[in-house]
Amino acid sequence: QSVLTQPPSVSGAPGQRVTISCTGSRLNIGAGYDVQWYQQLPGTAPKLLIYGNTNRPSGVPDRFSGSKSGTSASLAITGLQADDEADYYCQSYDSSLSGSRVFGGGTKLTVL
Amino acid sequence: QVQLQESGPGLVKPSETLSLTCTVSGGSIGSYYWSWIRQPPGKGLEWIGNIFFSGSTNSDPSLKSRVTISLDTSKNQFSLKLSSVTAADTAVYYCAREGRSNSGWFFDNWGQGTLVTVSS
Repeated sequence: QSVLTQPPSVSGAPGQRVTISCTGSRLNIGAGYDVQWYQQLPGTAPKLLIYGNTNRPSGVPDRFSGSKSGTSASLAITGLQADDEADYYCQSYDSSLSGSRVFGGGTKLTVL
Repeated sequence: QVQLQESGPGLVKPSETLSLTCTVSGGSIGSYYWSWIRQPPGKGLEWIGNIFFSGSTNSDPSLKSRVTISLDTSKNQFSLKLSSVTAADTAVYYCAREGRSNSGWFFDNWGQGTLVTVSS
């Protein structure tokens, strides 16, 4: 069981907006630690999508955005495209587990 | 752009020690945390542990007793040893560099991953 909780799956039609939630606790997200998001296309290594809750690395389209409030964070994808179909993971730091970086269980995004 | 490449045996026998090396190219290993992350087939990502360029290490509490992470700055490499492996340790193993945000760390560069199967 992951420290951060994500829905197993979400779906949307091309052009639509979808959101993926990531719920933690007062020991991680709620303690003020930043949330990151990664995209993993089939058969490839994860790719950093959002860091520091809201920041996009160079090259990541502005269709992807992140937010954080309280003990939760969200990834929003607008203008959904077929090649957005992938697994998405949130990640943070947990103060109860010394030095531990923690991941969510992952969310499979299906583009209908 | 820094690049990372994992190397090591793809098959390890139960109860033996899994050993992997990550070679960093295109940049120095200094001033960063370097992590190992794994992904069992069909499952999610699991952080194993990391090492700072100074040599200090952290690891997930559930694996801590079996994990050793070391650094060879002269070769720009860091390594993972996982002892007493079982079938549950079968996974794709990734090495990654950590960047620092205002209040946390993120994995900004990843290796391509290497599948390690534990089987007799």
